[in-house]
Amino acid sequence: QVQLQESGPGLVKPSETLSLTCTVSGVSITSYYWSWIRQSPGKGLEWIGYFYYLGNTNYNPSLKTRVTISADTSKNQVSLKLRSMTAADTAIYFCAREFSGDYFDSWGQGAQVTVSS
Amino acid sequence: EIVMTQSPGTLSVSPGESAALSCKASQSVSSYLAWYQQKPGQAPRLLIYGASTRATGVPARFSGSGSGTEFTLNISSLQSEDFAVYYCQQYENWLHTFGQGTKLEIK
Repeated sequence: QVQLQESGPGLVKPSETLSLTCTVSGVSITSYYWSWIRQSPGKGLEWIGYFYYLGNTNYNPSLKTRVTISADTSKNQVSLKLRSMTAADTAIYFCAREFSGDYFDSWGQGAQVTVSS
Repeated sequence: EIVMTQSPGTLSVSPGESAALSCKASQSVSSYLAWYQQKPGQAPRLLIYGASTRATGVPARFSGSGSGTEFTLNISSLQSEDFAVYYCQQYENWLHTFGQGTKLEIK
């Protein structure tokens, strides 16, 4: 049974970089697509991007200039970095398994991130 | 970007009754559509993929239909645990997009 757990700071200052980690258990991250999705009251659910084994990534064009998703296969972790944070980036950030690059069949519990000085 | 529009925004239904939730795409997504259920404080849970295939462990009272631009999630004999927010998501396009959600509340 696959389990995902997000971790990282809950508070980020404006202009700083958000760093979140998703620790995956029950399956190797080399076998699937792994996505980051965020949810805010204003924008609803927004797909940020995915990482696929061997470094393949794809990002939402609206965030592409600020986002990097990477992985550490030795730790079975997927990471998100989002640069130049603003109040508009305040949201709950989820990591999820993206089945065959299509739908999201397993989700982490989510991490609340607030951008404030 | 494919825009997904869900209606109604809120649906009030009594337990034991049925509910029909609508999702429309701004262009055809064929059958590349998923439905999710989200309860307060929880992550979304996959219910339906391929427009009509139930995910593992999803009760048979949940059914999905449609193709192209119009889709429906039907829930029969509503149970107390079914009252939640439901989202549709298209994956016809690599830029996956979600609808804004329909809140199903107890009447």
